[in-house]
Amino acid sequence: DGGITQSPKYLFRKEGQNVTLSCEQNLNHDAMYWYRQDPGQGLRLIYYSQIVNDFQKGDIAEGYSVSREKKESFPLTVTSAQKNPTAFYLCASSGITGELFFGEGSRLTVL
Amino acid sequence: GENVEQHPSTLSVQEGDSAVIKCTYSDSASNYFPWYKQELGKGPQLIIDIRSNVGEKKDQRIAVTLNKTAKHFSLHITETQPEDSAVYFCAASRGIQGAQKLVFGQGTRLTINP
Repeated sequence: DGGITQSPKYLFRKEGQNVTLSCEQNLNHDAMYWYRQDPGQGLRLIYYSQIVNDFQKGDIAEGYSVSREKKESFPLTVTSAQKNPTAFYLCASSGITGELFFGEGSRLTVL
Repeated sequence: GENVEQHPSTLSVQEGDSAVIKCTYSDSASNYFPWYKQELGKGPQLIIDIRSNVGEKKDQRIAVTLNKTAKHFSLHITETQPEDSAVYFCAASRGIQGAQKLVFGQGTRLTINP
């Protein structure tokens, strides 16, 4: 089935550690996105990429990094510089219609 | 920039009744308004969207209305069923190209009581 796969579903991190969240899509979409979801808040854009080897900061990029070496993959690294990393992270992609297709999310907890 | 406010934050209705969720936006140039449904433990999924050249759009039991003058749009769910229980998000942007421009509301947790 076509879709977006995020892993891991749950992740625990100690303070000071970097962690990387995986996002893979087989929809042949050019654009990919990372959002952060906190309780009672809407989705906030962290980073996005409209084409391979190019990406742009979103509204809350500080403390995060990404890469886009392949069309299918858009991993997100949560660095130790992110002051409040505990959240639900959503990856998405979009094609020519602009509709966003989301993965099932990764829940990160800092211990 | 665009700001989207969504109300209510929680909504509980009896099965079979109707549910209405409202959003207001600030950017008069916004012309694309999607609604997403997020079931527990899953990512959001687009359920309906509307563009500013129409005032209402229906898809079976769901409908969206848009008032450009007042800058607000609403989601209407009729004959609610237990599977409608979820968190619903509205969003707004200038055009459907470039989803990075989408600004989301805070979400509404809808509970359908049997």
